Amino acid sequence: GDSVTQMEGPVTLSEEAFLTINCTYTATGYPSLFWYVQYPGEGLQLLLKATKADDKGSNKGFEATYRKETTSFHLEKGSVQVSDSAVYFCAPMDSSYKLIFGSGTRLLVRP
Amino acid sequence: DGGITQSPKYLFRKEGQNVTLSCEQNLNHDAMYWYRQDPGQGLRLIYYSQIVNDFQKGDIAEGYSVSREKKESFPLTVTSAQKNPTAFYLCASSSDRGTQYFGPGTRLLVL
Repeated sequence: GDSVTQMEGPVTLSEEAFLTINCTYTATGYPSLFWYVQYPGEGLQLLLKATKADDKGSNKGFEATYRKETTSFHLEKGSVQVSDSAVYFCAPMDSSYKLIFGSGTRLLVRP
Repeated sequence: DGGITQSPKYLFRKEGQNVTLSCEQNLNHDAMYWYRQDPGQGLRLIYYSQIVNDFQKGDIAEGYSVSREKKESFPLTVTSAQKNPTAFYLCASSSDRGTQYFGPGTRLLVL
């Protein structure tokens, strides 16, 4: 069945460091792809999305490009802040329009 | 302000008791979803509804029930048959096959 694989956390970085969180997926066809962020004790917030191959989603300095050939949607940010500390979820949408979630990747940014 | 509200924020359940979690949205979305999140884990789909008066089981529906009598509302009942109900419950909604937006969540604890 459809699945998603994210890099294991926690990812610990110093403020202003470059961030990459890897995400690969298996799915039928070419699903829409999403990144959500969850701050402690809160629900999920949509961070960015891409709906077709080679699309780049971006928001708040975060970017991810839909790579059809490698079935990947890696999240990047050029300079992280302490306030970016959260859990990040990559979620493809399956052929039934349901989101597929992995365990998420916890990011900890130190001052 | 448009959005999704969930209540209560915290809920305590006694042995053998049914409890109901509320989810309301004013985004005029047709589809609504319930997810369960366990500590350090991703989200698992409990039930979803794509239209009023219709709903489908997700991956972990046993011990839960839902209703969808109004477009704006999708309450979830955690029944006494659910033997391990302690978790964070998240409601989401979407327009037709579109991006899902999440509420702030309800944390259910067993006394």
